[in-house]
Amino acid sequence: NAGVTQTPKFQVLKTGQSMTLQCAQDMNHNSMYWYRQDPGMGLRLIYYSASEGTTDKGEVPNGYNVSRLNKREFSLRLESAAPSQTSVYFCASSEAPGQGARETQYFGPGTRLLVL
Amino acid sequence: AQKVTQAQTEISVVEKEDVTLDCVYETRDTTYYLFWYKQPPSGELVFLIRRNSFDEQNEISGRYSWNFQKSTSSFNFTITASQVVDSAVYFCALRSGGSYIPTFGRGTSLIVHP
Repeated sequence: NAGVTQTPKFQVLKTGQSMTLQCAQDMNHNSMYWYRQDPGMGLRLIYYSASEGTTDKGEVPNGYNVSRLNKREFSLRLESAAPSQTSVYFCASSEAPGQGARETQYFGPGTRLLVL
Repeated sequence: AQKVTQAQTEISVVEKEDVTLDCVYETRDTTYYLFWYKQPPSGELVFLIRRNSFDEQNEISGRYSWNFQKSTSSFNFTITASQVVDSAVYFCALRSGGSYIPTFGRGTSLIVHP
């Protein structure tokens, strides 16, 4: 039982390049989330997927797209990377938001992205 | 709208001292959920506790305790007899009943010196 896994762990991009961050969970959770963490800013939600087949924007969605490939996998794509997207990206999952203890989020180890 | 304020950016203590991390929240909902997460230097985020708005009982887990006070909109976290391994960034988070989206505070960096 690996929990939430993310790939890659670290990536360097040049401005304008594209890439996809992968996330998978093996806890049979319905909901998945992508956050970015910047110094002094805490975590900010980029996109989330409340259940398989649905995705919604979070607080800072501009410049990103997501795909909920199946119940296990939720990917985050940067179509044209910008230096402002340099950050640490965390994926999280929860059994079901809004349903008691089942809404607790469990996080992956993070992906450090540097855009030059 | 929901908001979480962790006014303490960084706290430095010596091992065995007690330390309290403050969390003040704002929400218009009567149903809401509060969380604390720990982020050690290795970078992962570790869930510590969840509390709903209907349960004001304080919680104790070993050296950790949480004081939830609706009257002051606070959900403070105390570490008793701190240890070097407690050094981490601690995040408080809030999810209001009508939203799927949690709001995180900016975190408090705790440094415990030997």
